[in-house]
Amino acid sequence: GDSVTQMEGPVTLSEEAFLTINCTYTATGYPSLFWYVQYPGEGLQLLLKATKADDKGSNKGFEATYRKETTSFHLEKGSVQVSDSAVYFCALTAQDTSGSRLTFGEGTQLTVNP
Amino acid sequence: GAGVSQSPSNKVTEKGKDVELRCDPISGHTALYWYRQSLGQGLEFLIYFQGNSAPDKSGLPSDRFSAERTGGSVSTLTIQRTQQEDSAVYLCASSLQVINNEQFFGPGTRLTVL
Repeated sequence: GDSVTQMEGPVTLSEEAFLTINCTYTATGYPSLFWYVQYPGEGLQLLLKATKADDKGSNKGFEATYRKETTSFHLEKGSVQVSDSAVYFCALTAQDTSGSRLTFGEGTQLTVNP
Repeated sequence: GAGVSQSPSNKVTEKGKDVELRCDPISGHTALYWYRQSLGQGLEFLIYFQGNSAPDKSGLPSDRFSAERTGGSVSTLTIQRTQQEDSAVYLCASSLQVINNEQFFGPGTRLTVL
């Protein structure tokens, strides 16, 4: 079945540091890939997405590129801020008979210190 | 406009009792999803609706779990004879259509089974 594997956390960085959270996936066909973010006390929000190979999703300074050859969708940000502290989830949807159900990774807790 | 809402926000119940969790999707969204977020299992898909039909119930963990959707809008997730392992945050999401549409998440219902 489909699965998503994320870099284990928690991750603690200083403000303005470079961030990478690794994500790899297993799926048949051509899944769409997502990063969701959950800020403390809030619901899940879509951060960015990519729907085909070599697409780059970007939002709020975060980027991720859909790499079919390595089945990866790593999340990066050049300079993190304290306000980026949250839990980040990599996810995919596979266009099969299961509609667009999301399959999530385990989540990575990010803490950014001033 | 209004987002996805869920009620109650918190529910504490005793083992063996039945509970009902409610989800109000964004108006006009035809697809509705239920997920569960728990410490041991991460984020898991439970069921999705297209209109009032549930094409995929494969994520429901047991026959104690059921869900319905009426009028293409409100959905209720019912857990009968609750067990302690049912304790989790139950998340609802909706999207405009089933395929290739962003899912918007509600704040969740935190269920605690004593």
